[in-house]
Amino acid sequence: EIVLTQSPGTLSLSPGERAALSCRASQSVSNKYIAWYQQKPGQAPRLVIYGASIGATGIPDRFSGSGSGTDFTLTISRLEPEDFAVYYCQQYHTSLTWTFGQGTKVEIK
Amino acid sequence: QVQLQESGPGLVKPSQTLSLTCIVSGGSISSDGYYWSWIRQHPGKGLEWIGYIYYSGSTYYNPSLTSRVTISVDTSKNQFSLKLSSVTTADTAVYYCARDVRDYMASTGKNYYYMDVWGKGTTVIVSS
Repeated sequence: EIVLTQSPGTLSLSPGERAALSCRASQSVSNKYIAWYQQKPGQAPRLVIYGASIGATGIPDRFSGSGSGTDFTLTISRLEPEDFAVYYCQQYHTSLTWTFGQGTKVEIK
Repeated sequence: QVQLQESGPGLVKPSQTLSLTCIVSGGSISSDGYYWSWIRQHPGKGLEWIGYIYYSGSTYYNPSLTSRVTISVDTSKNQFSLKLSSVTTADTAVYYCARDVRDYMASTGKNYYYMDVWGKGTTVIVSS
C-alpha cells in the first residue's frame, strides 16, 4: 500500500503570498494518477489539479502542480481570500485502489 | 452537467447495515470511462476512499473495508449504492459519492485518473 504524506499540516500565510504544499509518496507513483483537491468547511472536495500538473476546468491559473516519482507539489502563486481551505493529494495505485493524503490546511495568518 | 446526490438514513444503530444511494443526473452512469466511487470523511478528519464500481458491475474496495462493503449499480435508475455492514461508532462520517474518471487525453496519449464531480455529502451517525 502506498502512503501519501502531506506537509506541512498547516500553512499560515497572508493573502497575496505564495503557498507551496508538499505530497510525498512512500513509493514511486505515476504522474497520471496524482490529483489535488480543495475542500472548504461544510463542502465537498473540489478537483484542482489532475495528472500532477493539469489544471481542472474552471480552476484559476494561480494554481499549479508539479513533481514526479515520489514528490509532488501544489503551488498557489498568489493567495486569494477564497483559496484558504484544506488541500488533499490523491493517488491511484496499480492495485486498483485510491489513497488520499491527510491534508494540508492553508489558513489566514 | 452531471450532478450527484446522496441519500439514505442519517442515523444507523450499531451492528446494523448502513445503506446509501447516489443518484446520477445530467449524464448516464453507463458512459464509458467513468467509474463511481464512495468516499467518507470522519468528523474533523481526512478523506477515506471506500470503493468504486463500473456500470458493468465490476467493483474494487478499500482493503481495510472489503469484508463489510458492497457497492452495487442500477443502470435503469441511473444510480449506485453503498452497503456497509456491522457498523460501529467508528463508521460515523460524512459519506460522499463521486464520479471517478478514466480520461484518455489524445494530445498526450495518456490516461488520467481523477474524481471530477462530487455529491454534497450525507452525514451518517452510528448510535443506539
